[in-house]
Amino acid sequence: DQQVKQNSPSLSVQEGRISILNCDYTNSMFDYFLWYKKYPAEGPTFLISISSIKDKNEDGRFTVFLNKSAKHLSLHIVPSQPGDSAVYFCAASVNSGGSNYKLTFGKGTLLTVNP
Amino acid sequence: EAGVTQSPTHLIKTRGQQATLRCSPISGHTSVYWYQQALGLGLQFLLWYDEGEERNRGNFPPRFSGRQFPNYSSELNVNALELEDSALYLCASTLTSSYNSPLHFGNGTRLTVT
Repeated sequence: DQQVKQNSPSLSVQEGRISILNCDYTNSMFDYFLWYKKYPAEGPTFLISISSIKDKNEDGRFTVFLNKSAKHLSLHIVPSQPGDSAVYFCAASVNSGGSNYKLTFGKGTLLTVNP
Repeated sequence: EAGVTQSPTHLIKTRGQQATLRCSPISGHTSVYWYQQALGLGLQFLLWYDEGEERNRGNFPPRFSGRQFPNYSSELNVNALELEDSALYLCASTLTSSYNSPLHFGNGTRLTVT
């Protein structure tokens, strides 16, 4: 049972336009969500996160939106740059009093930003 | 500041053998996590070590084991290797005391089982 789903394996966008990456989850106990970016031959790097008490978090060109009722989150990148080309993983966690830190990852979406 | 380092970068083993993968966390980090990324799948949680003890493990058989040393480095052992164990194994570290502090990943060990 896949609790975190990224239904688009790939996305192609023109430089300067908006990239929107989507993620759906099924576990209503998830209360913390993160996006990681992964370049080939490198480990994932943290990009941005959002707590379930918020519906939006912004960091520069990156904004994450959370819709709890729909169990959906999205990552917006504006404007998109060729260096943003990477695999993006959505991840979620349940914080059981801080004693259980275990991320559930989606399968990832390959973003290609064309010059 | 040095990041999370993993060794070896690549490892080729035959079915039935044992594999040992190593990880050094970021200085000051006491928690180490292991994840498996098999082809076509997302990262799957394997093990979590903190202060030298196993705190949690994912849905993997007991032949996946590991340990954390007093200097907080960690080792992942995979016994009786099977073909489907071929994957990228990622180690990550974080500060125990930081609530929801993001994981810092190493570049991984690519294990190939033939």
